[in-house]
Amino acid sequence: GDSVTQMEGPVTLSEEAFLTINCTYTATGYPSLFWYVQYPGEGLQLLLKATKADDKGSNKGFEATYRKETTSFHLEKGSVQVSDSAVYFCALLRAAGTALIFGKGTTLSVSS
Amino acid sequence: GAVVSQHPSWVICKSGTSVKIECRSLDFQATTMFWYRQFPKQSLMLMATSNEGSKATYEQGVEKDKFLINHASLTLSTLTVTSAHPEDSSFYICSADRGQGDVDGYTFGSGTRLTVV
Repeated sequence: GDSVTQMEGPVTLSEEAFLTINCTYTATGYPSLFWYVQYPGEGLQLLLKATKADDKGSNKGFEATYRKETTSFHLEKGSVQVSDSAVYFCALLRAAGTALIFGKGTTLSVSS
Repeated sequence: GAVVSQHPSWVICKSGTSVKIECRSLDFQATTMFWYRQFPKQSLMLMATSNEGSKATYEQGVEKDKFLINHASLTLSTLTVTSAHPEDSSFYICSADRGQGDVDGYTFGSGTRLTVV
């Protein structure tokens, strides 16, 4: 079945460091790919998305490119801030009306 | 934008009682809603998919009689945890699909922290 694998955390960085969180997927067809962020005690917020191969999603300085050849959707940010500390989830959507499939989440902790 | 309201945000109940969690789409009609459960420091586990006016589809291993899901209207789905026990303590999150062939992702509620004592 479809699945998402993302790097284990926690990831601990100093402010202004470069961030990469790896995400790979297994799916039939051409799923849409997402990164969601969860702040402590809250629900999930959509961070960015890409719906087809080679699309680049971006938001708030975060970027991820849909790579069909490597079945990857790695999240990157050039300079993290303390406020970026949260749990990040990579997810895929096989088709409209079906459920999102999530990776296990990666906790990011940024210190000043 | 699409907003999903989930209530209550947290609830404490005694073992053996039932708790109802509501998930409302405020500015759109949600033909499909999804209910997830999240254990501490773990991913979201899909519990069930509910479609307006029909019975929910439960994932394998989820007890239908314990987790009652009702999707009576296009803007409201409810999850009732019946005869709750401490092992049901968890963070429950709903998400909603606008049903327009949308592959842009779904909107999530803010979650409900359930503690059974």
